[in-house]
Amino acid sequence: QKEVEQNSGPLSVPEGAIASLNCTYSDRGSQSFFWYRQYSGKSPELIMFIYSNGDKEDGRFTAQLNKASQYVSLLIRDSQPSDSATYLCAVRAGYSTLTFGKGTMLLVSP
Amino acid sequence: EADIYQTPRYLVIGTGKKITLECSQTMGHDKMYWYQQDPGMELHLIHYSYGVNSTEKGDLSSESTVSRIRTEHFPLTLESARPSHTSQYLCASSPRGTGLSPLHFGNGTRLTVT
Repeated sequence: QKEVEQNSGPLSVPEGAIASLNCTYSDRGSQSFFWYRQYSGKSPELIMFIYSNGDKEDGRFTAQLNKASQYVSLLIRDSQPSDSATYLCAVRAGYSTLTFGKGTMLLVSP
Repeated sequence: EADIYQTPRYLVIGTGKKITLECSQTMGHDKMYWYQQDPGMELHLIHYSYGVNSTEKGDLSSESTVSRIRTEHFPLTLESARPSHTSQYLCASSPRGTGLSPLHFGNGTRLTVT
């Protein structure tokens, strides 16, 4: 059974701080990793994806992947109240379907 | 911006009714998916398709059925709605090829069965 684990939160950070969201996965064959943001009552929207070990930066977002530790994280710099949402980690092995974690709720206070 | 459309956006219907949730995409994606999500809960894959005339059941047992007669269209049908079917239904698509492509989601259909 493929598992993707996330702390449900909520993770509370003040505006301007760095938010760090973490995700672990059980399938060592996983090859592609995705972070989605989901506002309450809305559908998930893609934030970032990463395939290779190391860091990938896109604006205020940085995804970090460590396949040896089966760990992927998302850093949000200069957090804004508009970043308050649930962040979903999703993992895929080969051509299989995506496995989603339960998500971490992030609250950014002004 | 992904072009994937779901209708209706909201649906309230009585027990026992047959309903079809529509999903269409204009991107030519071969792969399409249906997820079910209760408020504050995780996404559960209920059906997916890798192309025309190809459909598979997902991880979550569902009383719904799907069809894929055209690449762009992937409707989900409940033959007899029950209150336990009350949930949000999300359609998604991704292109064929490597397993590296992300999913693009529609806006969802929020279904309430009374």
